[in-house]
Amino acid sequence: GQNIDQPTEMTATEGAIVQINCTYQTSGFNGLFWYQQHAGEAPTFLSYNVLDGLEEKGRFSSFLSRSKGYSYLLLKELQMKDSASYLCAVPDSNYQLIWGAGTKLIIKP
Amino acid sequence: IAGITQAPTSQILAAGRRMTLRCTQDMRHNAMYWYRQDLGLGLRLIHYSNTAGTTGKGEVPDGYSVSRANTDDFPLTLASAVPSQTSVYFCASSDEATGANVLTFGAGSRLTVL
Repeated sequence: GQNIDQPTEMTATEGAIVQINCTYQTSGFNGLFWYQQHAGEAPTFLSYNVLDGLEEKGRFSSFLSRSKGYSYLLLKELQMKDSASYLCAVPDSNYQLIWGAGTKLIIKP
Repeated sequence: IAGITQAPTSQILAAGRRMTLRCTQDMRHNAMYWYRQDLGLGLRLIHYSNTAGTTGKGEVPDGYSVSRANTDDFPLTLASAVPSQTSVYFCASSDEATGANVLTFGAGSRLTVL
């Protein structure tokens, strides 16, 4: 079966850096996705990793280690608008996404 | 504005009633999906359609049905609603050109079954 684990909630300070971890178990591997979801809104796509290493996209970076079944999302220079839930997802054997429960990130001034 | 439109935005429904959630996209995406999102749980796939005329079952299909008569529309029907179907429902779409799992979501439909 497939399983995705991420912390339920994290708190960080405006201007700081935060790392949101995701561990997964899959029978095969077809990439790992991160989405952002503000409260009361729809999820929006952030990043996709299929190879090991760090993918940087502005203030957000995503890292993948396939051998460890591990990814993290790194958010730098945190802004209040980054307060949201961050969802980790991996495709199943039918290429449909299996989602983690999400990590709620609270940014404090 | 290109995207996905869902209706209704919210609905309170008596148990046993039939309900159809509407979803329309104007991006000409091939694939469409219906998810439900419940507190403390990840998004769970109900049904999907890889192309017009085809549908498939997701993780939690029981009590729901879908149809895909054309590219743009993907309605979700609850034949006889039950309280456990109280949830926020998201419709999404994707296209191979932008990535099969790079999903565009609608704003969601909040359904309460009493």
